[in-house]
Amino acid sequence: DVKVTQSSRYLVKRTGEKVFLECVQDMDHENMFWYRQDPGLGLRLIYFSYDVKMKEKGDIPEGYSVSREKKERFSLILESASTNQTSMYLCASTKRGYEQYFGPGTRLTVT
Amino acid sequence: KQEVTQIPAALSVPEGENLVLNCSFTDSAIYNLQWFRQDPGKGLTSLLLIQSSQREQTSGRLNASLDKSSGRSTLYIAASQPGDSATYLCAVRYAGGTSYGKLTFGQGTILTVHP
Repeated sequence: DVKVTQSSRYLVKRTGEKVFLECVQDMDHENMFWYRQDPGLGLRLIYFSYDVKMKEKGDIPEGYSVSREKKERFSLILESASTNQTSMYLCASTKRGYEQYFGPGTRLTVT
Repeated sequence: KQEVTQIPAALSVPEGENLVLNCSFTDSAIYNLQWFRQDPGKGLTSLLLIQSSQREQTSGRLNASLDKSSGRSTLYIAASQPGDSATYLCAVRYAGGTSYGKLTFGQGTILTVHP
């Protein structure tokens, strides 16, 4: 079975802090994604990566950056957390053209 | 604009009923369509993936159909159970460009199956 894991289920950070969200997949998938999910807005794509060190902006990249130094790991970075980044963050991975698999999510609260 | 719409937004049914969830998409040029289930506060669980060349996929009590020409997919759940209560999301991988598997999601249907 494909497994996508995220470093934390719940995270509370203060405004202005630098925040790292980690995602690891164990199925040698080329493509990895970061989404955020908010009530009424659904899932929105922040960034995705199609290979090591390769990344592309999604629909809402402002305030975020990403890092992919190894194929299995994709990190989302909030350079200076703000309260409007309080959200559920979901990581996903896929082998090109096939099913997309999601991690359990990280509920981030910025106070 | 490439969008995905799900109807109804919420559905409440008694246990044992057969039910249909609807998904529509604006562009028939798709690679595939995927149905997910999400329990409150959890991640998404993939239920079924339909490639653009397929008409339907089945898994247990679930059957998903795809009609590209009309821009529609349906998820049929047979003999519903309280454990089926969750949010069901439809997502489309549109063709063209360098999408690298990017999905466009609907807003979801919140399903409640009561005993």
